[in-house]
Amino acid sequence: ETGVTQTPRHLVMGMTNKKSLKCEQHLGHNAMYWYKQSAKKPLELMFVYSLEERVENNSVPSRFSPECPNSSHLFLHLHTLQPEDSALYLCASSHGDLRTGELFFGEGSRLTVL
Amino acid sequence: KNQVEQSPQSLIILEGKNCTLQCNYTVSPFSNLRWYKQDTGRGPVSLTIMTFSENTKSNGRYTATLDADTKQSSLHITASQLSDSASYICVVMGKTSYDKVIFGPGTSLSVIP
Repeated sequence: ETGVTQTPRHLVMGMTNKKSLKCEQHLGHNAMYWYKQSAKKPLELMFVYSLEERVENNSVPSRFSPECPNSSHLFLHLHTLQPEDSALYLCASSHGDLRTGELFFGEGSRLTVL
Repeated sequence: KNQVEQSPQSLIILEGKNCTLQCNYTVSPFSNLRWYKQDTGRGPVSLTIMTFSENTKSNGRYTATLDADTKQSSLHITASQLSDSASYICVVMGKTSYDKVIFGPGTSLSVIP
């Protein structure tokens, strides 16, 4: 138990569906992140929120839309995805920036796009 | 270009044996280097964090080394256990913004009885 909870753990969706991934952290951290992990590839940073403001958007297609309503919750809204978007989506949180703060990951949401 | 490379890509060892995983990086300027363990289908879990001035850090049977001059790090696992089977990811952190967190591709370790 890392203190970062992701739901759902598994999601299968069609290309025309709209779904959302949810992340909740119970660590009192002030920064939250979405990462994408595709098979045989390094983790890719998607979005960073610090103090509920988006501070990083790593050239992610608009079919991925993040939302951070407060410092404990982070969502990733999915719309009109492609099969190549199938991957493990990892949420993480930290206290402060990553030059000093430890990065705590959730268990991930395994997404399959048909 | 900031990069992190890991070797070997995969490794199979017998239970009880030792092994060493390698990480080479070109990230500059450098802030710290971390090793994570990721079980299949789970999120990564931190093993060690080392700053520029640290050469060695241990966490139980895991010992990480860092040579900032040659930009190399290693993770040594002693007396391996079946539960050590996982992917081990080297992560190098630059001194500037969030995008200077560079993840290596990982080494997949299988410990067999």
